[in-house]
This record gives sequence, C-alpha cells and structure tokens, in this order.
Amino acid sequence: NAGVTQTPKFQVLKTGQSMTLQCAQDMNHEYMSWYRQDPGMGLRLIHYSVGAGITDQGEVPNGYNVSRSTTEDFPLRLLSAAPSQTSVYFCASSYPSGGYTFGSGTRLTVV
Amino acid sequence: AQKVTQAQTEISVVEKEDVTLDCVYETRDTTYYLFWYKQPPSGELVFLIRRNSFDEQNEISGRYSWNFQKSTSSFNFTITASQVVDSAVYFCALSEGNAGNMLTFGGGTRLMVKP
Repeated sequence: NAGVTQTPKFQVLKTGQSMTLQCAQDMNHEYMSWYRQDPGMGLRLIHYSVGAGITDQGEVPNGYNVSRSTTEDFPLRLLSAAPSQTSVYFCASSYPSGGYTFGSGTRLTVV
Repeated sequence: AQKVTQAQTEISVVEKEDVTLDCVYETRDTTYYLFWYKQPPSGELVFLIRRNSFDEQNEISGRYSWNFQKSTSSFNFTITASQVVDSAVYFCALSEGNAGNMLTFGGGTRLMVKP
C-alpha cells in the first residue's frame, strides 16, 4: 500500500550509541518531517524538508541530524543517544498545504 | 509563534453520550490550516480533517462535526452518540501558511468511552 514506511518499529539503544531511523514515502510528496511524541506533550517537530537537498530545524533539533538526498527518503540520525531521546518518533509527508500522512512510528528506548 | 492548546487532558463519557473536544490556537498569520488527528491505542495517527483559515463553515462527517470560530480562535470537535471505538487520543494541530506546512500540535485529549 502507498504511504509512509518507517523502520525499525522498535529499538533499544545504549547511551552513546548512534543509529538511523529510516523513513520512505512513495507518494512523491515534496514535504517530509520528523516528530517526536512524549507523554502529555503532543508531537514536536524535530527536522523537516521541503524538497530534496533542503532541510531545516524544527522545535527540538538538538542531538539529531537529517539529510534529503532523494524525494522518497528522509532518514533521522541520532548522533550519540541519550535517555532524554527515549520517545516515539513519527515521520510524515505531504504536498504543500496538504494534510500529512504519518508513518506508523518507531518506539525508541535509550538505556 | 504559533501555539495550540487542548485544555482537556482526559475526558470520560458513557457510550451514546455526545462529547466536545476543545481546541484553541494562536497564530499571527492570516493564512493557516487547522487539523484534527486521532491516535487509537494501536498508536498510529489517523487524519480526520483539514480546514483552512478562509473557510469558517462547520463540517459534519457522520457522527463527527467540527466548529471553527475565528472570533474565538477555536476549532472544536464534537462526537455525537459516542462509541467505544471512539476511545483514543485526539490531537488538534495548526500549520501556518508560510511555514513549510509544518504542524504545531496541541497536547492531546484522551477520550475514554465506556460501555
């Protein structure tokens, strides 16, 4: 089915480890973004991209890197995992001014 | 900066009751978009509605209805004759016209519908 695919669905990391959360969409959407969801705080924007080769920071970018080499892919890199990065991560894509399609989420625990 | 407030953190109703979820937003833009998403216990985010700032018409979709009032900066969501399957966390979100379509979310309202 067309949509946004996130991998992995679950991940446990040790403090200081690095990893990449993968996100791919097959709807040819220009816009992609990463959000984190913490209890009682809704979703907060980490990084976003309005097209291939263009990225920008959101509300909570520290500790994360992104790149957008293709329209389809928008990976999120954790450089040195910290317990404060324990969260559920959602990737989303959309056309300009369209409603977002979200992936199913990645539940990350940093111990 | 934009902000979305969902003052009700948790609501509990009995099946078949009507329930309204409140959403108040702040923005300096004249062009913006408002959204509601549903997050059931399974965790995915389900898109419910998108409304632009120039369209204040209320919307009805089955048992769901939305009331958009620019005068009070509110975009409330009503479920009529609630059902157990409506139990979920509901998020209101705002996207400003020139913000690359990025969403600012409220904190969410957890709705529990009891049989």
